[in-house]
Amino acid sequence: EVQLVESGGGLVQPGGSLRLSCAASGFSFSDRWMSWVRQAPGKGLEWVANIKEDGSEKYYVDSVKGRFTISRDNAKNSLYLQMNSLRAEDTAVYYCVRVDLDYWGQGTLVTVSS
Amino acid sequence: DVVMTQSPLSLPVTLGQPASISCRSSQRLVHRDGNTYLNWIQQRPGQSPRRLVYEISKRDSGVPDRISGSGSGTDFTLKISRVEAEDVGVYYCVQGTQWPHTFGQGTKLEIK
Repeated sequence: EVQLVESGGGLVQPGGSLRLSCAASGFSFSDRWMSWVRQAPGKGLEWVANIKEDGSEKYYVDSVKGRFTISRDNAKNSLYLQMNSLRAEDTAVYYCVRVDLDYWGQGTLVTVSS
Repeated sequence: DVVMTQSPLSLPVTLGQPASISCRSSQRLVHRDGNTYLNWIQQRPGQSPRRLVYEISKRDSGVPDRISGSGSGTDFTLKISRVEAEDVGVYYCVQGTQWPHTFGQGTKLEIK
């Protein structure tokens, strides 16, 4: 059974940093592009970042470029999102997702507020 | 960026009646590999999103056959032939052909 379990969310002040993690199981993690998708409270879905199987290609939505970094550790079957210079508009539930959108985690809430 | 425009944004439907959601993309979604990466996502209240349909019309495992996707080029449709209570939620179209991948605004289906 495919499982994606996010962790690392919480309350952070504007300008602060947070690192999200996603533990993957039930499939060959190193064979899949992975993504982060977010959803602000009461709003729609927004794709945040993608990373290739070996980590050699990464793509970011413009609003997070230069602030967020997606990475992975295939030996640990884990996906990460390092978030720096956080803003109030980054407040959202962050989902770890296979790039085909066929499997989603339960999400982890990030709240940016003073 | 490819803009995905859904209509309607609110869809009240009587149980047992059909429902249809339209999605229009600002650019054609045919990838250089020949596939069209247009998906439909369902998000039930309080749950994580779930993919229903991929590559325009391919249903995911466990999705009832009363749910179907169709379309081509820039116009796509999700149809539910007979709405059931479990269909309540928000439906999104999303393109995975061109980066950044983009979602429609979402269509909220409710029971009338």
